[in-house]
Amino acid sequence: KAGVTQTPRYLIKTRGQQVTLSCSPISGHRSVSWYQQTPGQGLQFLFEYFSETQRNKGNFPGRFSGRQFSNSRSEMNVSTLELGDSALYLCASRERSGSTDTQYFGPGTRLTVL
Amino acid sequence: AQSVSQHNHHVILSEAASLELGCNYSYGGTVNLFWYVQYPGQHLQLLLKYFSGDPLVKGIKGFEAEFIKSKFSFNLRKPSVQWSDTAEYFCAVLSGGYNKLIFGAGTRLAVHP
Repeated sequence: KAGVTQTPRYLIKTRGQQVTLSCSPISGHRSVSWYQQTPGQGLQFLFEYFSETQRNKGNFPGRFSGRQFSNSRSEMNVSTLELGDSALYLCASRERSGSTDTQYFGPGTRLTVL
Repeated sequence: AQSVSQHNHHVILSEAASLELGCNYSYGGTVNLFWYVQYPGQHLQLLLKYFSGDPLVKGIKGFEAEFIKSKFSFNLRKPSVQWSDTAEYFCAVLSGGYNKLIFGAGTRLAVHP
């Protein structure tokens, strides 16, 4: 099976702009989670989608939003970008099998806000 | 709230040395625990996971971890490291009620030839 794919891999934006990141989970996985990775805050949970519904949201402002499509692909959007939004954004594809529950990560999108 | 602590932020070892990275979590109920590794320039990869059963879990590349419930610990070990093990290692717990992974701050391992 192909792994988790994320596009684009790199983005440079300026403050005030908005950005959309895309994630395609592993085939057959219906749940997608997003995480933000920064040197200062580490890895933090943004939100999770399952069957086109947001099930959980982390402690991030409303500028961060997402959605999931019927083919399980997911997008996240950040509006009115701030310098502090510069980070690696990771998408995880979730597999639940019996009692196990495992997330597999994509390569990430590195966002730089100038 | 659940939390994960990784005691060592930076570890430097010579090749063939033994490795043990500490991880403690705060949750007292049933836990699902993971170690992920991030090699330079690469994405986060799953090393191993614990859900139930044998508390000694074996993962890829010769890594293993031991779940000690009484100590709330899930330490990662490798008997003999290689230069290629240079990476950042993250311990994580699955927050059952919220379907999210809670990560530790990570440990940067540098292995010198």
